[in-house]
Amino acid sequence: SYELTQPPSVSVSPGQTARITCSGDALPKKYAYWYQQKSGQAPVLVIFEDSKRPSGIPERFSGSSSGTMATLTISGAQVEDEADYYCYSTDSSGSHWVFGGGTKLTVL
Amino acid sequence: QLQLQESGPGLVKPSETLSLTCTVSGGSISGSNYYWGWIRQPPGKGLEWIGSIYYSGSTYYNPSLKSRVTISVDTSKNQFSLKLSSVTAADTAVYYCARGARGPERAFDIWGPGTMVSVSS
Repeated sequence: SYELTQPPSVSVSPGQTARITCSGDALPKKYAYWYQQKSGQAPVLVIFEDSKRPSGIPERFSGSSSGTMATLTISGAQVEDEADYYCYSTDSSGSHWVFGGGTKLTVL
Repeated sequence: QLQLQESGPGLVKPSETLSLTCTVSGGSISGSNYYWGWIRQPPGKGLEWIGSIYYSGSTYYNPSLKSRVTISVDTSKNQFSLKLSSVTAADTAVYYCARGARGPERAFDIWGPGTMVSVSS
């Protein structure tokens, strides 16, 4: 079955840039999406279609995709950005939805 | 504003069937180009897509769960439902329902708060 691969953890100091990667064989043809999940809460969509930001998401969140890798970038990470981040996409057929394994972002 | 709410038993016995319902309020479940999905998260673990349904009834399931999952929609009640058969302790998780609306990949943009389901005798 199709998989999206993320690093288990990323750690940065406040004000630094955090980058979280997501790799998948279908990403050259499928968009990547990113979710933020804080403890005890439902996930929130922070990036859609590789690089677009839903309304209400701070400008410090951005996304990009090249080849088989998508990247979520948080420029000037804040303490409140500490959360689990999941990438999401579909397989090449478009009929199976997939989440990456998740990356725990620590900001301290 | 569209809202989703999961409901169902919080405790299910092993080998039995887990049944959950998602009630959609603030908008119609039918007549829109949206998918409606179920996602789960075992304690301390990541998100797992279970399956999705189009309002017309077309369904898509995670291959790893397909033999045990049934998702259905009741447009008259503005609800969609999940049934997971032959459950084991590995099915203990927070179960979320969500709307799949963003982009060609139908990313989930509105989620319910989630409901914890434990499998135990």
